[in-house]
Amino acid sequence: AQSVTQLDSHVSVSEGTPVLLRCNYSSSYSPSLFWYVQHPNKGLQLLLKYTSAATLVKGINGFEAEFKKSETSFHLTKPSAHMSDAAEYFCVVPGGGGSQGNLIFGKGTKLSVKP
Amino acid sequence: EAQVTQNPRYLITVTGKKLTVTCSQNMNHEYMSWYRQDPGLGLRQIYYSMNVEVTDKGDVPEGYKVSRKEKRNFPLILESPSPNQTSLYFCASTKLAGVKLSEQYFGPGTRLTVT
Repeated sequence: AQSVTQLDSHVSVSEGTPVLLRCNYSSSYSPSLFWYVQHPNKGLQLLLKYTSAATLVKGINGFEAEFKKSETSFHLTKPSAHMSDAAEYFCVVPGGGGSQGNLIFGKGTKLSVKP
Repeated sequence: EAQVTQNPRYLITVTGKKLTVTCSQNMNHEYMSWYRQDPGLGLRQIYYSMNVEVTDKGDVPEGYKVSRKEKRNFPLILESPSPNQTSLYFCASTKLAGVKLSEQYFGPGTRLTVT
């Protein structure tokens, strides 16, 4: 069965420093993978998605993620954090049973950005 | 404007009183889904629908019902709500690209409290 693990529940960085949010997945096939962001009291917005076209995926707001099959990882990075990046981030993988409709969300990583 | 709408946005109810949360999208998307979000657990999928009259259980379907009689609407029904269904609920929709999902568009959320 597919699963996704976000390795940190909370990450704190200073403004202007790099961001790394870690995600490992478990899948019996090469999956699609997504990162979503949720700002406080808001709905979810897609940051980026991997669909096997390229291993390095660029998303919105300067975020990117690299799919590494050998490490079963899809970590999210940004070179320089901004105060507006403070939010909760979710790594998502389609679930099991061969159905792409069943989506599995990680438990989320809350990113804090200090001035 | 392309959007997913949910109603009501906030609801306080009592144990056992049937309720329906509506979800509607204006993007002609085939796929719709319901999630609940609880602190420390991320989002968990309740039910999803790949098209009209086609629904499937997600990871936490117990205590919920759905129907998909029209493409644009996907109501979530709690026949006999219980306090453990107190949560933040999100509806989402997306188009299907073959059997793969594209970006999901999320509604603003419905905060439900069952006393």
